Amino acid sequence: QSVLTQPPSVSGAPGQRVTISCTGSDSNIGEGYDAHWYQQIPGKAPKLLMYGYKNRPSGVTDRFSNSRSGTSATLAITGLQAEDEADYYCQSYDSRLRGVVFGGGTKLTV
Amino acid sequence: QVQLQESGPGLVKPSQTLSLTCSVSGVSISSGDYYWAWIRQPPGKGLEWVGYIFYSGFNSFNPSLKGRASISMDTSKNQFSLNLRSVTAADTAIYYCARDLIPGTISDAFDIWGQGTLLTVSS
Repeated sequence: QSVLTQPPSVSGAPGQRVTISCTGSDSNIGEGYDAHWYQQIPGKAPKLLMYGYKNRPSGVTDRFSNSRSGTSATLAITGLQAEDEADYYCQSYDSRLRGVVFGGGTKLTV
Repeated sequence: QVQLQESGPGLVKPSQTLSLTCSVSGVSISSGDYYWAWIRQPPGKGLEWVGYIFYSGFNSFNPSLKGRASISMDTSKNQFSLNLRSVTAADTAIYYCARDLIPGTISDAFDIWGQGTLLTVSS
């Protein structure tokens, strides 16, 4: 059972917009700790997609965006493409567990 | 261009100590700029943070490891290493080394990752 809860899977047609939720608690996202997002293609290392408040590493397309509200964070992907098919993970810090925590991951099917 | 490369034995017997090394190129780990981390992923499962090291000797570990983990640096080789004692089958995973995004602080966002190395615990 992950500290951060993500839906196991989401799907969308090419060109559509999808969102992936990440639900935490008052000891992580709700306490103000940043939520970060990663994309993992099977067999590859995770890739940082979004960090903190609407920050995107160099080279990441602006089709990816993030938001936060209360104890939850959301990753949005617009203009879905076949290459977006991957696993997506959210991540934050938990003050009660005193460590970095990840969500269980969401498989996106395009 | 900063690159990380993990190396390890591939197979370890239960109750033994797991030792993995991350070789860093493109930046000096002794420059004091970045925190360095280990993250693991059991086959077919999600990501789990293992721990951090900073050049000053600062360490932080996942409490779920119950004190079994240690991370050290070899600045002469520009490497950092993970030791995990008393391993069980539950420690079987792909182990990644990674760099924290923001210099001089822990942001908990990891922007550069190694390709990962599979470590299997089995007799």
